[in-house]
Amino acid sequence: AQTVTQSQPEMSVQEAETVTLSCTYDTSESDYYLFWYKQPPSRQMILVIRQEAYKQQNATENRFSVNFQKAAKSFSLKISDSQLGDAAMYFCAYRSVQGAQKLVFGQGTRLTINP
Amino acid sequence: KAGVTQTPRYLIKTRGQQVTLSCSPISGHRSVSWYQQTPGQGLQFLFEYFSETQRNKGNFPGRFSGRQFSNSRSEMNVSTLELGDSALYLCASRRNPGQGNEKLFFGSGTQLSVL
Repeated sequence: AQTVTQSQPEMSVQEAETVTLSCTYDTSESDYYLFWYKQPPSRQMILVIRQEAYKQQNATENRFSVNFQKAAKSFSLKISDSQLGDAAMYFCAYRSVQGAQKLVFGQGTRLTINP
Repeated sequence: KAGVTQTPRYLIKTRGQQVTLSCSPISGHRSVSWYQQTPGQGLQFLFEYFSETQRNKGNFPGRFSGRQFSNSRSEMNVSTLELGDSALYLCASRRNPGQGNEKLFFGSGTQLSVL
C-alpha cells in the first residue's frame, strides 16, 4: 500500500518570502500522480498543483512550484512571494494510475503567513 | 457553474443513530468520491461511485454505505453511529474516472458530531 508522509506539522513564513513544504511517499509503482491540495478555513480542498510521475519536468503554477525527485520519492512544494491568502492546511496526495484511483493523503502541514 | 454541494454543513447525532449525508456533483460530472477527515486519522478514502455503481471502497466497516442516483447525486449513510465517526465528510466529483490525473473538485464537507 502507498503511504504519504509530511514531516512538518506546522510552518510559518513572512509575507512576500518563500517557503518550502516537504512530502515523501512510498510506492512500488512506477507510474502515478502526485498532488498538493490546499484546505483553507472554509474546509474546501483546492488543488494547487499536480505532477505526473513520468514527467521529469517539475510542475509550476504561477507562484507555486514543485521539486519532484522520483528516485528519492520526494515531492516538495515551493511557494514564492507568500501572500496572506496562502495561509491554510496543505496536503500532499498520491494517486495510482490504475486500479483504485483513490487519493492517499499525507497528514498535512499548517502554513501561517506573518504580515 | 455551481460547485460540489454538500448538505447539511453541520450535523449532530447521538450514538446508535444513523445519518445520511448528501452530495451534488458539478453538472456533467458522473464520478463521486467520499473521504473522511479526522484529526487523528487524517483524510481517508471511503468509496467512489460512477454511473450508479460503486467502483472502489476504502477500509471502513459495513456501517458505512453509499449510493448514487441517475442524476449523479450521491448519498452516504452511516448506521449505528459511534463516537469515532465524528469527522468532516468530504465529497469530490470528477467528470469520469478514466484518467487518474483528472482534477477532483471538492465540496466544503459535512461536519458530523456524534455525542
